[in-house]
Amino acid sequence: DIQMTQSPSSLSASVGDRVTITCQASQDISNYLNWYQQKPGKAPKLLIYDASNLETGVPSRFSGSGSGTDFTFTISSLQPEDIATYYCQQYDNLPTFGQGTKLEIK
Amino acid sequence: EVQLVQSGAEVKKPGESLKISCKGSGYSFTSYWIGWVRQMPGKGLEWMGIIYPGDSDTRYSPSFQGQVTISADKSISTAYLQWSSLKASDTAMYYCARQISIAARLDYWGQGTLVTVSS
Repeated sequence: DIQMTQSPSSLSASVGDRVTITCQASQDISNYLNWYQQKPGKAPKLLIYDASNLETGVPSRFSGSGSGTDFTFTISSLQPEDIATYYCQQYDNLPTFGQGTKLEIK
Repeated sequence: EVQLVQSGAEVKKPGESLKISCKGSGYSFTSYWIGWVRQMPGKGLEWMGIIYPGDSDTRYSPSFQGQVTISADKSISTAYLQWSSLKASDTAMYYCARQISIAARLDYWGQGTLVTVSS
């Protein structure tokens, strides 16, 4: 299995802050990396696919970058509705997820 | 509109069998794969396996191989996840999700089915 290591596991930030989450793969996965948002009690929602492509309807404050083994997810200006847990997911082989990053408002 | 609608919450005893469902609509059900994802209480997401309803081709994550069975009935656009003998450790939320291929993004998700296994 390809292991995905996300950091940090939790994060507290203020409204308007720039927030960055990283995800590292245990081997080269090219750009086969997606990002999801899961709000409490809800199903996950796809935000970013193929490392840097914004899913239709997702606000432009969300972005992704990276290739190979190192990837970054960024919220350019944190909004109260962005409180959620965020997961990366690789699909170079059978899909696997990172352990998640819980984002809270400071 | 693409929708995946899952069956309702279940409460079972250890050793019992269970089959939960995921009904797709708003797209060609036989042209996409359906994957299953487990989320244990307070934990992260785990991809379990996947089925192609068009021909019932099925793959499992090594962690779940032999533990569950994934099936589909394309005539009613429904995929299933089943257990023959539940354990307390199967207590979790289970999601189905649409994928264009085995290795792909999960672009639409069901609302989840909570399975509770307790004596």
